[in-house]
Amino acid sequence: NAGVMQNPRHLVRRRGQEARLRCSPMKGHSHVYWYRQLPEEGLKFMVYLQKENIIDESGMPKERFSAEFPKEGPSILRIQQVVRGDSAAYFCASSRRGAGSPLHFGNGTRLTVT
Amino acid sequence: RKEVEQDPGPFNVPEGATVAFNCTYSNSASQSFFWYRQDCRKEPKLLMSVYSSGNEDGRFTAQLNRASQYISLLIRDSKLSDSATYLCAVSRSGGYNKLIFGAGTRLAVHP
Repeated sequence: NAGVMQNPRHLVRRRGQEARLRCSPMKGHSHVYWYRQLPEEGLKFMVYLQKENIIDESGMPKERFSAEFPKEGPSILRIQQVVRGDSAAYFCASSRRGAGSPLHFGNGTRLTVT
Repeated sequence: RKEVEQDPGPFNVPEGATVAFNCTYSNSASQSFFWYRQDCRKEPKLLMSVYSSGNEDGRFTAQLNRASQYISLLIRDSKLSDSATYLCAVSRSGGYNKLIFGAGTRLAVHP
């Protein structure tokens, strides 16, 4: 049973380019969460999605960032016009159900903006 | 004040030592509690859930004190391989499981 799959593992973008991060949840999991971790800092919640719905995006910057979890295919976190401050590790997690379920994390995408 | 707070450490302990971490949370509506372990530059991995009555998994014991709003993690007989950052995570009620993480406590076990 494959775990949460994220790709790419490493992504380098120049300032102003777009970054697309992909996440396939564990089999049977319909809840997806995106977190960001800046160097030497903790995990910050960004967005929570269920299939085709954004449930909570309170941690997502209002501009340049968007997320989706289509009916078919992986969840996508999209960052437009990246800036150096977007350089971070982005982790996706999934859970089988809502409240009370632990989250299982993918191995992350490390975004570097040059 | 942060919603979830941890002592950043580092805790430097010899092999075989017993070490304890605390984590405080500010939201009294918090319902679910977890400890995660994160190795350098890797993904967080679930260590254990924390139940109201306290629970144990091998050398690890977790406890919850709702009145004082903190959770704890006790590691007995520390191994070199326990060296990592330990993150506590808290979620509120409300039907979904948005976890709020502490910044983590770093543990270094030395020979």
